[in-house]
Amino acid sequence: AQSVTQLDSQVPVFEEAPVELRCNYSSSVSVYLFWYVQYPNQGLQLLLKYLSGSTLVESINGFEAEFNKSQTSFHLRKPSVHISDTAEYFCAVLDSNYQLIWGAGTKLIIKP
Amino acid sequence: GAGVSQSPSNKVTEKGKDVELRCDPISGHTALYWYRQSLGQGLEFLIYFQGNSAPDKSGLPSDRFSAERTGGSVSTLTIQRTQQEDSAVYLCASSLQLAGGPEQFFGPGTRLTVL
Repeated sequence: AQSVTQLDSQVPVFEEAPVELRCNYSSSVSVYLFWYVQYPNQGLQLLLKYLSGSTLVESINGFEAEFNKSQTSFHLRKPSVHISDTAEYFCAVLDSNYQLIWGAGTKLIIKP
Repeated sequence: GAGVSQSPSNKVTEKGKDVELRCDPISGHTALYWYRQSLGQGLEFLIYFQGNSAPDKSGLPSDRFSAERTGGSVSTLTIQRTQQEDSAVYLCASSLQLAGGPEQFFGPGTRLTVL
């Protein structure tokens, strides 16, 4: 069975510092990977996705993630975070039944 | 066009009562999903509808939970004889799948509180 592991439940980081949110998956089929973001008291929004092609994908607000097949990882990174990035971030992989398998989420806490 | 909408946004009910939660997916999306997000936890898959196929109910936690999707569009999630542990945010998502892309688009959720 496929699974997604987000090792860190919380990641505190100072404003303007870089951040990496880790995501590892297990999958025996073609891999479609996603990062969703949930801002406080809001719904889930797609942040970025890997379907095929370039292994480095970027979002419009400065986040990027790299699909690494050999390490079965899809870590999310940003070189300089802002207070507005405070949110919970969920990694997910699409299984063969077109259902998303979700990680437990990582809360990004920005310290001023 | 409009995104996924859910109603009500908040629902407070007494233990033992039945509740109905509604989801309007994005027009033309063939797939519809229900999830539950309990306080401080990740998403728990409940049920999945795809076109006219039989729904995948493997995530429903008990027989008190049921869902239907009428005309391939609007979906209703029903919880009978609610219990306090049913308190959570119930999220609906829809997707085009296949040629349209597999990403799911989420509604704002219904926050259910069972007293």
